[in-house]
This record gives sequence, C-alpha cells and structure tokens, in this order.
Amino acid sequence: GDSVTQMEGPVTLSEEAFLTINCTYTATGYPSLFWYVQYPGEGLQLLLKATKADDKGSNKGFEATYRKETTSFHLEKGSVQVSDSAVYFCALSESGNQFYFGTGTSLTVIP
Amino acid sequence: EAQVTQNPRYLITVTGKKLTVTCSQNMNHEYMSWYRQDPGLGLRQIYYSMNVEVTDKGDVPEGYKVSRKEKRNFPLILESPSPNQTSLYFCASRSLGGDRGGRTGELFFGEGSRLTVL
Repeated sequence: GDSVTQMEGPVTLSEEAFLTINCTYTATGYPSLFWYVQYPGEGLQLLLKATKADDKGSNKGFEATYRKETTSFHLEKGSVQVSDSAVYFCALSESGNQFYFGTGTSLTVIP
Repeated sequence: EAQVTQNPRYLITVTGKKLTVTCSQNMNHEYMSWYRQDPGLGLRQIYYSMNVEVTDKGDVPEGYKVSRKEKRNFPLILESPSPNQTSLYFCASRSLGGDRGGRTGELFFGEGSRLTVL
C-alpha cells in the first residue's frame, strides 16, 4: 500500500542555517505530494505541493522537488528563522480520497 | 472567515461512555475526513466522506462511526470509547474542484480535539 517515510526528528538548527527534511514515498501510481506544517496548538496547514514528476513546489522560502526516480520529495530552506519552528509532515494522495502522512519532523530554530 | 471548527477541543472521559466530536466547515466543501495523530505514527485517516450520505473507511476505522447528513457537518462518533482511542483528532475538508479532478486540492484542518479515555 501507499506510505510515506520521513526523517526522524527532532531537528534543532541555528537561525539562518540550511534545512533539509528527507521524505520518500511508496505508491502504486502517480500520487500528488504535499508538505504540511503544524504550529504549536494548531491544525495542519498546507506549505507546498507538487502534482507530477519534476514539479517543484515552493512557498515562504521552502522548496521541494517531486523526484520520481528516487521516489523522494525532500523539503529544503536556505535560511531558517525562529518562526519556522514547527512540525513538518510529508504526505501523498493518489486518489484524492485517501491521504497518507509521514510521522512528522519537529524543527526547533534557536536564535 | 473560512474555517473548520471542531468541538470539544479537549475532553476527558471514561471507558464505554459514548461521545461525539463535531466538525463543521463553512467553505461548502464536498470532501471531509477525520484523522488521529499519535506520537511516532503521524496522522492516520479514520473515515472520509465525498459528499452527503457518502462515507468510506480510511486506514483505522475500528471503534469509530461517522455520518454525513448535511454537507457542512461530519461528526465522529465513539460508541464505546477505550483507552487506546486516547489521541489528538483532526477534521479536515477540501473542495473536489480544481485541477486533475480535484485530486490536488488542499486540505483545510480544524484545530484538533484532544481526547483522553480513562
């Protein structure tokens, strides 16, 4: 079945450091891929998405490229800020009915 | 303001006492779904609904019921809660419009309902 594996956390970075959170997926078809972010005490919000191979999703300085050959969708940001501290979830959906989420990666950015 | 509203936000109950967590959205979304979030397991889908009177099981439906009698509401029912249903629950909705048949539509989440079953 479909599944998402993402990098274990927690991750602690200094402000302005480079961020990578790894995400790989297993799917039978051609899924859409997502990164969601969860700030403390809140629900998840869509950060970015990609719908087909080689698409790059981007938002708020974050980027992720849909790599079909490596079944990956790694999240990157060149310079993190304290306000980026949150839990990040990689997710996929083939049908649009069922969504599969990774376990989440907690990021803390220290000044 | 577009939102998904869940109630209650926090609940402590006892084993076997039926409870309902309500979910309401004001965006006229066709699709609604329930997830539970547990440490080390991420979010797992419980049930989803494509429209009124249309519901289907997700990955972890055991011990839960849902109904979709109105487009805006999608309550989650625990007929006989057990301690292993202690979790953080999220409701989400999305439009079925958009590109590729709505498959890429963004999920809008509620703020979560933290349930403890003693």
